[in-house]
Amino acid sequence: QKEVEQNSGPLSVPEGAIASLNCTYSDRGSQSFFWYRQYSGKSPELIMSIYSNGDKEDGRFTAQLNKASQYVSLLIRDSQPSDSATYLCAGGPAGGTSYGKLTFGQGTILTVHP
Amino acid sequence: ETGVTQTPRHLVMGMTNKKSLKCEQHLGHNAMYWYKQSAKKPLELMFVYNFKEQTENNSVPSRFSPECPNSSHLFLHLHTLQPEDSALYLCASSHHGSTSRTDTQYFGPGTRLTVL
Repeated sequence: QKEVEQNSGPLSVPEGAIASLNCTYSDRGSQSFFWYRQYSGKSPELIMSIYSNGDKEDGRFTAQLNKASQYVSLLIRDSQPSDSATYLCAGGPAGGTSYGKLTFGQGTILTVHP
Repeated sequence: ETGVTQTPRHLVMGMTNKKSLKCEQHLGHNAMYWYKQSAKKPLELMFVYNFKEQTENNSVPSRFSPECPNSSHLFLHLHTLQPEDSALYLCASSHHGSTSRTDTQYFGPGTRLTVL
């Protein structure tokens, strides 16, 4: 069974701090990884995609991928109260017949307090 | 409209009813998906359509019947549902442009389904 594991939290950080969200996955065939943010009552929205080992930065967000350790993380710098949401980690295979079959973690609830 | 739209946004139905959920994507994508999101559980992939062909049925009960008439539209036909089928049903789409990775999926707002 392919699994993506996240600490469900809640993770509470003060405004302006760095929030660190972690995710591990069991399927070594996974090649594509995504972080989504989901506000309560809303649908998931993409924060970041990452396909290669290393870091990928986009504004206040940095995703890190370590395929050897089967580990993905998301750092949020200068956290704002508006970042308070559930963060979903997802992993997907390479293409071919398995195209699009994402496996999601249960999500980490992040609360940024003023 | 832009992005991925879903109708209705809310649906209440009895166990003997038949209803359909509709999804439309305006992004020029060629792959579409149905997901189920229940409380306290991870997002669960139900169906994948790639270039209008169903490529995944994730052991979904036959009371859920998908239909993809073209690359822009996706339906989920519902009949004789159970109360445990109450959940948020999300549609997503992506552009299948690579054979070496899974591309980003963009989600619609979802349909909140309640089965009485």
